[in-house]
Parts: sequence; C-alpha cells; structure tokens
Amino acid sequence: QVQLVQSGPEVKTAGSSVRISCTASGAIYSTYALTWVRQAPGQGLEWIGRVRPVLKITNYAQKFQDRVTMTADRSTRTAYMELNSLRSDDTAVYYCARLLTVVPYYMDVWGKGTTVTVSS
Amino acid sequence: SYVLTQPPSVSVAPGETATMTCGGKNIGSESVHWYQQKPGQAPVVVVFDNDDRPSGIPERFSGSISGSTATLTVSRVEAGDEGDYYCQLWDSRSDQVIFGGGTKLTVL
Repeated sequence: QVQLVQSGPEVKTAGSSVRISCTASGAIYSTYALTWVRQAPGQGLEWIGRVRPVLKITNYAQKFQDRVTMTADRSTRTAYMELNSLRSDDTAVYYCARLLTVVPYYMDVWGKGTTVTVSS
Repeated sequence: SYVLTQPPSVSVAPGETATMTCGGKNIGSESVHWYQQKPGQAPVVVVFDNDDRPSGIPERFSGSISGSTATLTVSRVEAGDEGDYYCQLWDSRSDQVIFGGGTKLTVL
C-alpha cells in the first residue's frame, strides 16, 4: 500500500509563501493524481487542487487559482504545493491525498498532514 | 458550483444505528464517497462509489443513494465510531472535488 509522507510544520508571516511536499512510498500511476485538501481549525475539509504527475496536468479550486501552484517530480515521487500571499485565514492543516482520476474519483490514501501557521 | 449538504451533528447510543445524510441536486446519478475523521487524524475513506467498502472497513458501515440524498449508515455503533464524517463527489462540470460540510457523530 502506498504511503504519503508530508513535510514538517511551517510558521509563516502574512504576505509570504509556503511550499509543502508530499512523497509517495511507491509509484504513482497515470490513473492517480495527488490532491491537496486543507482544514482550518475547527472547520471542515476544503479542496485546493490536484496535480497528475504522469501527465503534468493541474487544476485548482477557483478560490485558490491566483495563489497556488502544484507540481510533481516523478523521479522522486514527490508532489509540491506552493501557496503565495499568505493570510491569517490560511492557517490550517494541509493534507495531500491520492486521488483516483477515473470513476469513482475518490481519495484512498492520505498523508498525515502539515500544519501551517500564518501570523500577522 | 455543486453543493453538498450534511446535518451538523448526529447522536446515537451505543449499539444503535446512526444514519448520516448528504444532499445534493440529482446526487442519485453521482458517485459519492464517505470519509471518517477522528480528532487529530487524517480522513479515512469508509465507503466509496456510493456503497462499496474498502478492505479493512467493518461491514457495519454501509452506503446508499437515491434521488437527492446519499446516506451513510453505521450499524451497532461503537464508541470508537465517534468523529466527523464527510461526503464527497467529483464534479465533472467544473473538474473539482466537492466536500460536504461534515457531520459530527456523537456516541452517547
């Protein structure tokens, strides 16, 4: 079973950027994407976007389109998410997850999460 | 964009059946998935594609879908089932993952 290992916690100031990594323990095939989901304290799950490592395709939630960049390096089996122009309401746990890119499109493996704290 | 609506909370006594709903327009024609999240942990899929269970998930967890509502049923509820439950689907019109707001299951 593939495992996803995420980078460690980050503390950032408002206006700066953060880059989080997610490394898979096994191969990521073309039928999968790596997707990013965040959860603010006491809140629900919020989808940020996905990257398909084999095809190098990304798509983002409209809310984040202007501030997020997702990339993937197949050789190291690592995906990255960079979020710019950080605000205090970006404080959250950020999860990467493996998303099946064909029906039924669900997330079967999750990382443990990366805590990002943004201070003003 | 597509909206999934879940009740904020459901409470049930141990051994009873918990029913959690997820409403959306014409959801009966979609593929809906359910995730369980315990405090401080990442979500775990408990039902996918409306009514399939991943290996390792107890048979007490079951899903169904009809019309405008998807349902997650947890039979013979145990204290360890407490947590937040989220429904999710893929919106092919916008190419986006959609989550419901989540339901907190409390075992009395």
